[in-house]
Amino acid sequence: DIQMTQSPSTLSASVGDRVTITCRASQSLSTWLAWYQQKPGKAPTLLIYKTSGLESGVPSRFSGSVSGTEFTLTISSLQPDDVATYYCHQYNNYPWTFGQGTRVEIK
Amino acid sequence: EVQLVESGGGVVRPGGSLRLSCGASGFIFDDYGMTWVRQAPGKGLEWVSDINWSGSNTHYADSVKGRFTISRDNAKNSLYLEMNSLRAEDTALYHCAKGQTYFSNWGQGILVTVSS
Repeated sequence: DIQMTQSPSTLSASVGDRVTITCRASQSLSTWLAWYQQKPGKAPTLLIYKTSGLESGVPSRFSGSVSGTEFTLTISSLQPDDVATYYCHQYNNYPWTFGQGTRVEIK
Repeated sequence: EVQLVESGGGVVRPGGSLRLSCGASGFIFDDYGMTWVRQAPGKGLEWVSDINWSGSNTHYADSVKGRFTISRDNAKNSLYLEMNSLRAEDTALYHCAKGQTYFSNWGQGILVTVSS
């Protein structure tokens, strides 16, 4: 199985800060990685697909990139509405696997 | 608007069975593969199973293989998960999701509690 190591587990930043969340895959994924946002008590929502594709309706402050097997979700200017847990998800090889999640808080 | 509504959850004893359903609307159901993802209380997301648009191809996590069966009825715009030989570690919120690679829409989930 492909292991997805997500970091940090918790992140506290100020409104307007640039925030970066990383997922390292245990093997190559090509570009088959997605990012989801889950607000407390809600279902996850898709932010990014295929590493950097922005889902329709998602604010442009969210972006995704990759360097080798290290995938990054960036929030260019953190907003109060971004308080949530974020998960990466690989769909290169079955079984599909998720990162452990990163909880983002406002300082 | 895409809507996915799960039902059929509840409390069941270890070794018992449940059948989850997911009713879909707002998109052409038989154009899409579908997936079940679960989330144990206070934990992260775990992929459980998926099925292609026609129902001819399915995949399962090792943790549920041989115990769970995914199926769909395209005439009823519905997705199912038959869960047998349930264990305490199957306790989770079960979400159905649109898509078989990445998941563009998710239901709110239905809680399954396995407890004696």
